[in-house]
Amino acid sequence: ETGVTQTPRHLVMGMTNKKSLKCEQHLGHNAMYWYKQSAKKPLELMFVYNFKEQTENNSVPSRFSPECPNSSHLFLHLHTLQPEDSALYLCASSQDVQRGYTFGSGTRLTVV
Amino acid sequence: QKEVEQDPGPLSVPEGAIVSLNCTYSNSAFQYFMWYRQYSRKGPELLMYTYSSGNKEDGRFTAQVDKSSKYISLFIRDSQPSDSATYLCAMSEQTGNTPLVFGKGTRLSVIA
Repeated sequence: ETGVTQTPRHLVMGMTNKKSLKCEQHLGHNAMYWYKQSAKKPLELMFVYNFKEQTENNSVPSRFSPECPNSSHLFLHLHTLQPEDSALYLCASSQDVQRGYTFGSGTRLTVV
Repeated sequence: QKEVEQDPGPLSVPEGAIVSLNCTYSNSAFQYFMWYRQYSRKGPELLMYTYSSGNKEDGRFTAQVDKSSKYISLFIRDSQPSDSATYLCAMSEQTGNTPLVFGKGTRLSVIA
């Protein structure tokens, strides 16, 4: 365990479903992130929360909706996804945005 | 030109070989440089962290930064089958709220 826990580990959902990914960290970090990792592409930053405030949204489609209720928890709400959204979704946390990140093991999402 | 360039490989070497992994970048404001290792079905884990130019050694791993050439390297001595993974470089600026920028990752296989 890295200190960043993601659930579920695997998720299969239909295009009309609504689901949520959960991330939890108990490292006392101030910043949390959602990344998308697809085959043969760099890690794509989706959302950044710094001290619970969203500071970055990299033109992510509105079918992805983040929520950060406190500094230890981060959610990614999913609805009406497309098959091309199938990927590994990684959560990370850090003390500040310039330093090393601690990643969770990810949620492998398949949209059918 | 992409901000961070990294050859995706795959790279296959015999056990005991010296491995050299590299990244080039274009943003001269980058000051923090990191290497992450990602095993299959896991999230990336921080392997090496350096600030500005120079070398850093940790066991069999050496990280080098050449800011004049905008080039960073990770050397693995006496490579082991357990080193087989994808290695991602990452970097960030010293100030501001700009998150890490990652390379695509190089897939390494060490053959026994």
